[in-house]
Amino acid sequence: EDQVTQSPEALRLQEGESSSLNCSYTVSGLRGLFWYRQDPGKGPEFLFTLYSAGEEKEKERLKATLTKKESFLHITAPKPEDSATYLCAVQAVGQAGTALIFGKGTTLSVSS
Amino acid sequence: NAGVMQNPRHLVRRRGQEARLRCSPMKGHSHVYWYRQLPEEGLKFMVYLQKENIIDESGMPKERFSAEFPKEGPSILRIQQVVRGDSAAYFCASGTSGRDEQYFGPGTRLTVT
Repeated sequence: EDQVTQSPEALRLQEGESSSLNCSYTVSGLRGLFWYRQDPGKGPEFLFTLYSAGEEKEKERLKATLTKKESFLHITAPKPEDSATYLCAVQAVGQAGTALIFGKGTTLSVSS
Repeated sequence: NAGVMQNPRHLVRRRGQEARLRCSPMKGHSHVYWYRQLPEEGLKFMVYLQKENIIDESGMPKERFSAEFPKEGPSILRIQQVVRGDSAAYFCASGTSGRDEQYFGPGTRLTVT
């Protein structure tokens, strides 16, 4: 069964304290791995797509990396406005549709 | 606003009533996906539609739930005879051929009393 597990469930950081979020996945064949950000009461906001092991994508203080079994979202010198829930999702090869399989997310709190 | 639009944003229904949730995809997008987010749970795929076609409904409950995406107008997710367990946030996402990423709307929060 295709599955996505994110850790930790919650993470508290001080402003400027860098850290990483983990997304491990089990999928019959990976079509793509996606990172989203979700603020309370809002829909997920697309951040990155990764397709192959070794690939990296960056956006401001965020960098996403991918291996054959997991992905990391590195947050460098975070600010309070980075506080949100970060969601990881995978798309499997061979599905009739292109449904995303989501993890439960990591809720990040950054205090000043 | 070129983003995905959903309405209503909040919907309250009594048990046994019908709920209709609407989604207008981003301009230029012809693929619509519906997901449900239960409290303390992750987003779960329900159905994937293109204009006038259901492509994948593997995540849709067998009874009471239906979806459509007509040639004209928004996509509709319909829940008949709602029960308390249907209370959740329902998100619509849109996409386009040749691109894998999906862009989400703000969601409809359904409360069944």
